[in-house]
Amino acid sequence: EADIYQTPRYLVIGTGKKITLECSQTMGHDKMYWYQQDPGMELHLIHYSYGVNSTEKGDLSSESTVSRIRTEHFPLTLESARPSHTSQYLCASRLAGPYNEQFFGPGTRLTVL
Amino acid sequence: SQQGEEDPQALSIQEGENATMNCSYKTSINNLQWYRQNSGRGLVHLILIRSNEREKHSGRLRVTLDTSKKSSSLLITASRAADTASYFCATPFGNQAGTALIFGKGTTLSVSS
Repeated sequence: EADIYQTPRYLVIGTGKKITLECSQTMGHDKMYWYQQDPGMELHLIHYSYGVNSTEKGDLSSESTVSRIRTEHFPLTLESARPSHTSQYLCASRLAGPYNEQFFGPGTRLTVL
Repeated sequence: SQQGEEDPQALSIQEGENATMNCSYKTSINNLQWYRQNSGRGLVHLILIRSNEREKHSGRLRVTLDTSKKSSSLLITASRAADTASYFCATPFGNQAGTALIFGKGTTLSVSS
């Protein structure tokens, strides 16, 4: 089992609410990632981080924002949730270097009504 | 845009049969990885093959890589019902410092007993 955690696992909220999805890892990994995945579909990279105080946007445009103040913590925030944000959000991390695998958290399934 | 494309999209077989999934990608890579996702869960790393390798084995898994054709295959031998899952190939994206993995659309494998 990978030591990467996501909370909440499930979230149902109304339109317009601000939400933060939490992701934490205890493996000391510098690299962390957020992916968005609709049911039965591919994963889309929306954000990634090289390390503390570094964040980059992925290949899929997202209205969410991220921060990386501590190595182990990489939260994702939606300022005003909309039904189009309904999806599964997967967090991942890995060690630096080109040949290291990514470890994934269990995901947060978000439903915006 | 997605880097990898798996084929077929879905595969149904009986226990004991072999399952073969293919992946094609677009740009030069230094490694390719395969992951498995059980329904609604995070992804689990299966195997990594480097660009200078042609074939790699891990238990019942066999992966091949043909860099001239920009393609890879994953073979699962003697399939079991527990192998039922979605399988994704993943290739590196981004510069060396922030390399992330870009995933294909996946192959959904169903193994019936």
